[in-house]
Amino acid sequence: SQELEQSPQSLIVQEGKNLTINCTSSKTLYGLYWYKQKYGEGLIFLMMLQKGGEEKSHEKITAKLDEKKQQSSLHITASQPSHAGIYLCGADGRAQKLVFGQGTRLTINP
Amino acid sequence: GAGVSQSPSNKVTEKGKDVELRCDPISGHTALYWYRQSLGQGLEFLIYFQGNSAPDKSGLPSDRFSAERTGGSVSTLTIQRTQQEDSAVYLCASSPRRSQETQYFGPGTRLLVL
Repeated sequence: SQELEQSPQSLIVQEGKNLTINCTSSKTLYGLYWYKQKYGEGLIFLMMLQKGGEEKSHEKITAKLDEKKQQSSLHITASQPSHAGIYLCGADGRAQKLVFGQGTRLTINP
Repeated sequence: GAGVSQSPSNKVTEKGKDVELRCDPISGHTALYWYRQSLGQGLEFLIYFQGNSAPDKSGLPSDRFSAERTGGSVSTLTIQRTQQEDSAVYLCASSPRRSQETQYFGPGTRLLVL
């Protein structure tokens, strides 16, 4: 079965710094989703990637899917307190089941 | 140590029929969420239960959708008079409490409305 591994599991950065979160799949990704879970709220959809080499941006958040479609990275530029939360990657597995990474807990220190 | 379970795993129904989707959260988890993921789209929040509080229904797309949670545990999502646009994967998640806790997701129910 397909598994997604996120790294790091937790991350503490100084406000204004850049950071990257990785999501690695055990199998080829056919659809990769990034979500953010804000403390006290449900999941917020950030973006979806499908094509190898695809890159999408939303405000200061950029996500890429590598050419081999087995890894995605989420990059935040000039982090702000509002970026704090848990970032989750999810994927369409070939077994027609959705699989998710374990999440990365991001803390932004002022 | 069972995780969140959902049933059925797949459901095919005809337009206009009612369907019920079930979610069994992790034992002891007080918060329960329903999400929907339509083809090619991200997760869409539907409804949230926390203990005995009134549910947050702000994500329900229409009055054909309803959900209940009996005894603070099992939840049922009901879709009345299903439409083709209801076809999606319906995910349930639970967490020990609402704040600062990762949500644990069930495997989902894939609904196809013909």
